[in-house]
Amino acid sequence: QVQLQQWGAGLLKPSETLSLTCAVYGGSFSDPFGGYYWSWIRQPPGKGLEWIGEIDDSGRTKYNPSLKTRVTISVDTSKNQFSLNLNSVTAADTAVYYCARYDCSSGDCYFDYWGQGTLVTVSS
Amino acid sequence: QSVLTQPPSVSGAPGQRVTISCTGSSSNIGAHYDVHWYQQLPGTAPKLLIYDNTNRPSGVPDRFSGSRSGTSASLAITGLQAEDEADYYCQSYDSSLSGYVIFGGGTKLTVL
Repeated sequence: QVQLQQWGAGLLKPSETLSLTCAVYGGSFSDPFGGYYWSWIRQPPGKGLEWIGEIDDSGRTKYNPSLKTRVTISVDTSKNQFSLNLNSVTAADTAVYYCARYDCSSGDCYFDYWGQGTLVTVSS
Repeated sequence: QSVLTQPPSVSGAPGQRVTISCTGSSSNIGAHYDVHWYQQLPGTAPKLLIYDNTNRPSGVPDRFSGSRSGTSASLAITGLQAEDEADYYCQSYDSSLSGYVIFGGGTKLTVL
């Protein structure tokens, strides 16, 4: 059974950099046919889900166009971990951040495993 | 403003049937990208409920079903139970701007 466990700082000041890491336990970090993408999704308080971006086990990334200038997602396959950095944060970045596996191994893609979520608050 | 449009709320009495719509456009659902649905119980991470328009992961009751037609998709819940009270999100893919993952704005289901 695949489990995702995430951690990182929960309180930031404006202009700081948000950093979160997600560890993957169980299952395979790398799908033999290249079908897994490790993703970050966020949810502002009381609002809906927003996709931030994804990375595969070879380090290829894709980002939400609305965030791409501030986002970096990286991967450490030796530890089965991937990380999110979001720079120059403002109050609008306050949200619960989730890591998730984006499974594209059988055609179209969906998020089948999720981390527990981390509330990140940006406040001066 | 979400790319996929869902009603903010729906409600139904126990035992009834409710549907939640998800409306997109020619660059996402209308371009034949599949629609997936997630259930989010209060204070928890979303859970995959329906994938590839109509398929249920193991463990999801057959009271939940999905469909897709044209530029829209729907989630139907029959035999409504109190435990179904949650937020529901549709998700797909949009081919504009080099392509990116999109979600609906979410629908709050209230069991009366």
